[in-house]
Amino acid sequence: DGGITQSPKYLFRKEGQNVTLSCEQNLNHDAMYWYRQDPGQGLRLIYYSQIVNDFQKGDIAEGYSVSREKKESFPLTVTSAQKNPTAFYLCASSPGGFGREQFFGPGTRLTVL
Amino acid sequence: GENVEQHPSTLSVQEGDSAVIKCTYSDSASNYFPWYKQELGKRPQLIIDIRSNVGEKKDQRIAVTLNKTAKHFSLHITETQPEDSAVYFCAASRDTGNQFYFGTGTSLTVIP
Repeated sequence: DGGITQSPKYLFRKEGQNVTLSCEQNLNHDAMYWYRQDPGQGLRLIYYSQIVNDFQKGDIAEGYSVSREKKESFPLTVTSAQKNPTAFYLCASSPGGFGREQFFGPGTRLTVL
Repeated sequence: GENVEQHPSTLSVQEGDSAVIKCTYSDSASNYFPWYKQELGKRPQLIIDIRSNVGEKKDQRIAVTLNKTAKHFSLHITETQPEDSAVYFCAASRDTGNQFYFGTGTSLTVIP
């Protein structure tokens, strides 16, 4: 399945709690991405990283945080500041550089109770 | 930043007919345009892509056309089959920043 994994597949959290979604890749890709997918809104970029120890905000970064301490790992924390966190979250990676395919993980469905 | 619009949002065709999905983009610096297919409950997967130095690209039953002047590109699927039923996303990217901008998706249903 492309060497990029996400865990858990389903996640439930109570309001006010932070939660961390895992994303790991063994493709030796430089770039990694986090997207949020809501019905009818396509894929919206939360954060991306082109190299270890560096990352940039995407269009909807508010209420989220990331780290990139290792090339293969790019965890996403959904904080209590995120107003509407219930969604499907997709992680992706690519070799970096121009015009390179993104490979997606299987996704994590987060539900806030 | 870039804005990618995709139409239609839903599309139903009879098996064997053709399907066309269209996208427009706003940033004239965008020069890489991939198309992804997402089957129900699965991850998006690249099905075809095109770079701005090419006007058309084909891969068996699927093709993509690009009009740089009008800033639009289209996905064409011929001889549709039930397994083509999925959500299709277009995207645009340029050679700086490595950021992708996605359209809102088209849900294609092929009726047997």
